[in-house]
Amino acid sequence: NAGVTQTPKFQVLKTGQSMTLQCAQDMNHNSMYWYRQDPGMGLRLIYYSASEGTTDKGEVPNGYNVSRLNKREFSLRLESAAPSQTSVYFCASSLTSNANTGELFFGEGSRLTVL
Amino acid sequence: QKEVEQDPGPLSVPEGAIVSLNCTYSNSAFQYFMWYRQYSRKGPELLMYTYSSGNKEDGRFTAQVDKSSKYISLFIRDSQPSDSATYLCAMNAGANSKLTFGKGITLSVRP
Repeated sequence: NAGVTQTPKFQVLKTGQSMTLQCAQDMNHNSMYWYRQDPGMGLRLIYYSASEGTTDKGEVPNGYNVSRLNKREFSLRLESAAPSQTSVYFCASSLTSNANTGELFFGEGSRLTVL
Repeated sequence: QKEVEQDPGPLSVPEGAIVSLNCTYSNSAFQYFMWYRQYSRKGPELLMYTYSSGNKEDGRFTAQVDKSSKYISLFIRDSQPSDSATYLCAMNAGANSKLTFGKGITLSVRP
């Protein structure tokens, strides 16, 4: 039972390089999210997709793009990486965006370092 | 003022201690309150969920919400080394609203 799978788990980039973080869930969830977690800042929402075919900006979208490829997959792209994007990135999913329990299922994270 | 404030920690307690973790918030529209637990180098997982004011108990864990004071707490009784983790409070206003997380507090339970 994989849940939410993120790849890669670790990545080192040079300033200006681009990369895509991949996320897939096997729980038939409708909503998917990308967060970043930084020391002293907590979890901050970058982008989310309430359902297949829709994406919306979260709290800190600048410098990122997303693609909801299908119901299972939601990717996050850094077009021109900056040192400020050094962080741990978490993908999450939930049954629906209207889930009042707020239960998000998180992946194990992708640790990105931008030099 | 941040919407959700959480004691920064870290917190270190001996095994068997009672632990109290707290968050305050400013948005009176928040109705749903959660506690997530995050082990080192893992993603957060939902630990407790409470709607509106009141208490909810699950084994050694009790979640408490006081909406009049805009204050939520998580109590851990008979704490164990396996409880060592980062605890994040989270809350939202209901349908179509996104979760707002506290910054998290790291708890260490010493054997």
